Amino acid sequence: EAGVAQSPRYKIIEKRQSVAFWCNPISGHATLYWYQQILGQGPKLLIQFQNNGVVDDSQLPKDRFSAERLKGVDSTLKIQPAKLEDSAVYLCASSPVVAAEQYFGPGTRLTVT
Amino acid sequence: GENVEQHPSTLSVQEGDSAVIKCTYSDSASNYFPWYKQELGKRPQLIIDIRSNVGEKKDQRIAVTLNKTAKHFSLHITETQPEDSAVYFCAASRGGANSKLTFGKGITLSVRP
Repeated sequence: EAGVAQSPRYKIIEKRQSVAFWCNPISGHATLYWYQQILGQGPKLLIQFQNNGVVDDSQLPKDRFSAERLKGVDSTLKIQPAKLEDSAVYLCASSPVVAAEQYFGPGTRLTVT
Repeated sequence: GENVEQHPSTLSVQEGDSAVIKCTYSDSASNYFPWYKQELGKRPQLIIDIRSNVGEKKDQRIAVTLNKTAKHFSLHITETQPEDSAVYFCAASRGGANSKLTFGKGITLSVRP
């Protein structure tokens, strides 16, 4: 089966610019997650979707980050405007149900200069 | 919220020796505990998980033990090989419909040939 797809793989932007990431989960997976992984740390959950509804976005900086999963399949994560501290790898993951194995995508490495 | 800590932060073992990585968690309601392996520049991948209704689970050279009273769980790798060198993340969640996975900061395991 195809894995979780993400694009772009790398992105370099200047602070105060905007950026968007795209994720296509494994077919049939109802739950989709966006994580931020700063170098040397574990993944931190930003937002969790169950189909197209938000289950948890308590750690999403809502003044600058937004995410959507309109048709319950693909998802986009946007940062506007970006800050230097947003430099990280943004990982998308999906699972068939909550509290099951999460399958991670390759991630998008964002560098904010 | 849940707080997951890993000890030690780095571990170096000789090839063929055993490695034990320990995690502690704070939320007594957590009941799902996965371990992910992340090789340099790659995505995290699940290697083993355990639920609170069992105390131990084994899969070939890898085992996980859970002590709910003490709120800690450990990853055991026997007969370590150089390809076991990676960052290992433990995580915990309540496992319910709206639960989220909280990751530790990761432990870097180095297996010396």
